[in-house]
This record gives sequence, structure tokens and C-alpha cells, in this order.
Amino acid sequence: NAGVTQTPKFQVLKTGQSMTLQCAQDMNHEYMSWYRQDPGMGLRLIHYSVGAGITDQGEVPNGYNVSRSTTEDFPLRLLSAAPSQTSVYFCASTFTGQGGSPLHFGNGTRLTVT
Amino acid sequence: GENVEQHPSTLSVQEGDSAVIKCTYSDSASNYFPWYKQELGKRPQLIIDIRSNVGEKKDQRIAVTLNKTAKHFSLHITETQPEDSAVYFCAASLAGGGADGLTFGKGTHLIIQP
Repeated sequence: NAGVTQTPKFQVLKTGQSMTLQCAQDMNHEYMSWYRQDPGMGLRLIHYSVGAGITDQGEVPNGYNVSRSTTEDFPLRLLSAAPSQTSVYFCASTFTGQGGSPLHFGNGTRLTVT
Repeated sequence: GENVEQHPSTLSVQEGDSAVIKCTYSDSASNYFPWYKQELGKRPQLIIDIRSNVGEKKDQRIAVTLNKTAKHFSLHITETQPEDSAVYFCAASLAGGGADGLTFGKGTHLIIQP
């Protein structure tokens, strides 16, 4: 059981380049999300999805696109990278429904935009 | 939207002493409050969570208390050990879990002095 898998672990981009951060989970979680973590800022929600074909914006969505074609995968796309997008990105998933359920995080992708 | 404030940003305690981290939230509809521990270079991992119908929850040396009236919740770690050194994040969720995205505090760097 791999849990939440993120690739790549590290990436360096030049301003204006595009790339996709991959996220896959094998726990049959309906909910998947992307957070960015910056020093002193905690974890901020970028986009989330409550099921295949459904996505929504979080707190800091500008500059990022997502899609959810399958339950397992939730890629995050940077169309034109900017230095302000230098950060550590975490994908996380959980079950939806009442009662509360904890997020399962991937190991993160450290992105540097020069 | 929800706003979570976390204090202190850094906490240094002697090994064996207790540590307390406090969080406040803004939306009285929030009903799920997890705490995550993040070691350097690693992903956040859930250590304990509490739901709004419970006032206190304990798991060995870790406890969380919730005051719904005052809209604050706290993490208590007793008999601290060197392996407790990490960054701790509190979070709050409006939905029954992660479905609408957790709002995180900015984190507390806990340092255990030998």
C-alpha cells in the first residue's frame, strides 16, 4: 500500500516554463488536494477535488490548474512558472463524509523557479 | 473563510517538561480540529484530532482540548522527549473532515532542550 505518491521530489524551473506535478493515491479516497508550504506561512490550500470530474479552488489558486479524470490521480499544472511559486508542494487525500477524517500527505515536491 | 491563529511560533522546553500550543479559529461552524507533526524535510503527519462534540481527547503523552465557546483548542505534550522536536500545525475544517479543505495555523517550532 503506497498511500499518496508524489513525483518528482525535486524540480528546478526557469521563469515561464511549464510543468506538471504528479499525485496518485491508492486508498480509494474521494477527496484530493494540493497545498503549498512556505516558511512562516504554514500550509495553504491551492485546489481540491471531492471526486472524479470535480475540482474547486482553495485559498491560493492563481497560477495553477488541476483536473481529476480518475479517482486515483490529481495532477497540478503550472502553465508559466514564476519565482513566487518557489515552494514545497504537498498532495493530500482523505475520505469525504461526515465525522471528519485526517488528511494523508504525500512526501512533497520541492520546486525552485529561477 | 476560516482563519486559524497559532501561538507561539517557537517554543523551547526542557526535556521532561510539558509543552502547550494554542490555536484559535474564527468560524463557529468548524467541527474538526486535527494536529499535525512535521519533522524537518518530511511530510506532515497526524498525531491527534478532535471533533466538536468532544471537549478533550488523550493519547498517551499527547492531549488536545477544545473550547467551542471561546473558539480555541490546545495541544498538550507531557514528559517531552528529544523526538518531540518538530514543527506542529493545528488546523480547522468546516466540513465533516477534509472535504472543504483544512485551514492550517502557521505552525509552532517545538525545541526540546536536553
